Amino acid sequence: SQQGEEDPQALSIQEGENATMNCSYKTSINNLQWYRQNSGRGLVHLILIRSNEREKHSGRLRVTLDTSKKSSSLLITASRAADTASYFCAFVSNYQLIWGAGTKLIIKP
Amino acid sequence: EAGVVQSPRYKIIEKKQPVAFWCNPISGHNTLYWYLQNLGQGPELLIRYENEEAVDDSQLPKDRFSAERLKGVDSTLKIQPAELGDSAVYLCASSLVSLAGHGTNTGELFFGEGSRLTVL
Repeated sequence: SQQGEEDPQALSIQEGENATMNCSYKTSINNLQWYRQNSGRGLVHLILIRSNEREKHSGRLRVTLDTSKKSSSLLITASRAADTASYFCAFVSNYQLIWGAGTKLIIKP
Repeated sequence: EAGVVQSPRYKIIEKKQPVAFWCNPISGHNTLYWYLQNLGQGPELLIRYENEEAVDDSQLPKDRFSAERLKGVDSTLKIQPAELGDSAVYLCASSLVSLAGHGTNTGELFFGEGSRLTVL
């Protein structure tokens, strides 16, 4: 299946540092979304960026989209312990929502 | 506003037994999804409903899995008989905007907390 690819698979940083996660895909997309999943919980939508947008901000989150490189990045600035979670990208292509395998982020206090 | 409600949260069964999961989506959300999620993996779509119609069930193992969405609201997902490899988290999600509708853009998905199935 045409899954998205995320890297890194896991990321461990100190509280206060910035965290960057990347998502790549192979087809044309309509939009790309980022979700967070705390351990044992459901996924929570963070931000959506449309194919004609290049950058979007929401609080401490910054998402970029480069359609020429077929990639997106999620930046979390000034990380907090509560940001510890798995982060997934999902993109809409051909009326399907395709998910990445996720990046596991650990914020060390 | 109530979120997506799933039950049960946890279920442990012996292999070959049946199991059913229930989902109540957010009021007004016409699109409902059932996903399977294995540990350390992203969600995998099992079935997507637009109102009562299953518009994408290509990944649903129809020999043992079945789903229904009566009256276009609540949905149930059933496995009969369960196999060891079915152990996973079953996630239900709903959305206001259809993937197939209105061309190009879709809104966010709202997920329930999931139903964790362990098959012994």
